[in-house]
Amino acid sequence: DAGVIQSPRHEVTEMGQEVTLRCKPISGHNSLFWYRQTMMRGLELLIYFNNNVPIDDSGMPEDRFSAKMPNASFSTLKIQPSEPRDSAVYFCASSLGRSLYNEQFFGPGTRLTVL
Amino acid sequence: AQTVTQSQPEMSVQEAETVTLSCTYDTSESDYYLFWYKQPPSRQMILVIRQEAYKQQNATENRFSVNFQKAAKSFSLKISDSQLGDAAMYFCAYRSGGAQKLVFGQGTRLTINP
Repeated sequence: DAGVIQSPRHEVTEMGQEVTLRCKPISGHNSLFWYRQTMMRGLELLIYFNNNVPIDDSGMPEDRFSAKMPNASFSTLKIQPSEPRDSAVYFCASSLGRSLYNEQFFGPGTRLTVL
Repeated sequence: AQTVTQSQPEMSVQEAETVTLSCTYDTSESDYYLFWYKQPPSRQMILVIRQEAYKQQNATENRFSVNFQKAAKSFSLKISDSQLGDAAMYFCAYRSGGAQKLVFGQGTRLTINP
């Protein structure tokens, strides 16, 4: 199994530009999570989906952030317009909702730098 | 809301020795799950060990074991025979039984001295 796949691994952009992060969950998993990791705030859940439907987006910082999951094998996290304070590592994770532990498997993350 | 606290920002241990990382959590629920994740310099989050709240027996995975004290709301991770490859950030995480959201602690950076 390829695991959770994220792209790009690194992204450097200028303030005001649109940024799109991509995630492919593990095949067969029905839950997908987007996290942000910073030194100041640690790991924060931004949003998660069950069966492609957004369930909890209370962690999305503001309207500049949006996430979609058009099908079971693909999700995007978009920031428009980007700001320097969005610089962080963004992780995608997936899980099989009906398993006992419902453990989450993480992708390698995307390191975003906004200049 | 549930919170997870890791009171040791950094720990170090000599190679081949044993180290224990602390984690406490705050919850009013009886049904929940606890996890330890490892994040090496590659930044990949790797699940190390997991524990169900209603299981009294402490979970063990090879050199990794936990000391789960439900009444004290404590979930420490013990690493035996430490190896250089164990050097990483370690995160404790909590999940309610009926939810999917993980709540993470702040992390502990573990250094292994050769």
